[in-house]
Amino acid sequence: DTAVSQTPKYLVTQMGNDKSIKCEQNLGHDTMYWYKQDSKKFLKIMFSYNNKELIINETVPNRFSPKSPDKAHLNLHINSLELGDSAVYFCASSQDLASGGATDTQYFGPGTRLTVL
Amino acid sequence: AQKVTQAQTEISVVEKEDVTLDCVYETRDTTYYLFWYKQPPSGELVFLIRRNSFDEQNEISGRYSWNFQKSTSSFNFTITASQVVDSAVYFCALSGGAGSARQLTFGSGTQLTVLP
Repeated sequence: DTAVSQTPKYLVTQMGNDKSIKCEQNLGHDTMYWYKQDSKKFLKIMFSYNNKELIINETVPNRFSPKSPDKAHLNLHINSLELGDSAVYFCASSQDLASGGATDTQYFGPGTRLTVL
Repeated sequence: AQKVTQAQTEISVVEKEDVTLDCVYETRDTTYYLFWYKQPPSGELVFLIRRNSFDEQNEISGRYSWNFQKSTSSFNFTITASQVVDSAVYFCALSGGAGSARQLTFGSGTQLTVLP
């Protein structure tokens, strides 16, 4: 069974459209993240949720809105897509050490390659 | 602020050679965690190792070994007897300790190519 899954794996869309990427983890973790990997392979944190609450919100345009309906899911909605949003988006999850996790290692989903035309 | 530097952008070796990937980090935290991840051509990010800042013991796992030196703020990764399947981008990453933001700060990655 896949530990962290993302859908879709590929997303091709036109500028100006709104799209969503879904993420689910079955590891029982309480913290989830979104990272963006640009064309040069650089990985940068976007958001982090702990127990459905936003705890990290890096400098990301407000066109990006994360939503966590429960601890196992963290979705990413993007409004008014722009060419510069083309990237690979990775979801990850971990168990917070403060809540009894033995390790806070982040495990990543397979990534969603977003192409904005 | 935290920073991770992987000065080697690309490395190319011939199969069976040993190769070391360098990682230097900066942090003001007294407790922190260091990681290595592998990104093969298929694109997923595969966790390799996690190391606490208070545990400087080197670690060996099969052909992989890691050398953590707090004095030089380095966490280098060596692959012994490299194989073609080791070809990937390798990322070093850092996260803060308790009370700090727990997101990973990644280095820019090292593209390793192992030639047959």
